[in-house]
Amino acid sequence: GENVEQHPSTLSVQEGDSAVIKCTYSDSASNYFPWYKQELGKRPQLIIDIRSNVGEKKDQRIAVTLNKTAKHFSLHITETQPEDSAVYFCAAGGGSNYKLTFGKGTLLTVNP
Amino acid sequence: DTGVSQDPRHKITKRGQNVTFRCDPISEHNRLYWYRQTLGQGPEFLTYFQNEAQLEKSRLLSDRFSAERPKGSFSTLEIQRTEQGDSAMYLCASSPGVLSYEQYFGPGTRLTVT
Repeated sequence: GENVEQHPSTLSVQEGDSAVIKCTYSDSASNYFPWYKQELGKRPQLIIDIRSNVGEKKDQRIAVTLNKTAKHFSLHITETQPEDSAVYFCAAGGGSNYKLTFGKGTLLTVNP
Repeated sequence: DTGVSQDPRHKITKRGQNVTFRCDPISEHNRLYWYRQTLGQGPEFLTYFQNEAQLEKSRLLSDRFSAERPKGSFSTLEIQRTEQGDSAMYLCASSPGVLSYEQYFGPGTRLTVT
């Protein structure tokens, strides 16, 4: 089955800096890679996703890149703000596999 | 609120009791998923439905767990003879349709087994 590794487990940045979270996956059949943001006590919220026919996708301050050959994808957040502080999860799925396999999460802290 | 809803939000039960959770997906979403999340971990897949058909069940899912989606709308997840290891957040998610992979999560039901 699919295995997703996520790094780092914690990340602390100063407000205005950039943050990068990286994930690797094992199943070459996976072709859908979403990122979720989960604030304490709240539901995971889909913030951006990418499919394997695209190398990069951007939405305002967040972007995701995908290297299908190397089986890794990354989340980039620019101009971080305190409200970006949360746990971020990457996941992999797609093809005939509609379920998602999640990484263990990254706790991002943005210090004002 | 047109998002995924779950009920109850919190459940405390004694070991050995049965519990049932309900999930109402976003209207007209065909696929419905159940995940379990423990502290410091990402959501872990349990099972999913395409309309009323249960298409996949995790091998990690004990026989004490059963899920239904009788009319292809809301779903229930039942845990029989609960154990302390069942304590977790149970998340439901729904997805629009056959060609869509996006999943939208509900707020979860936090189960505590004492």
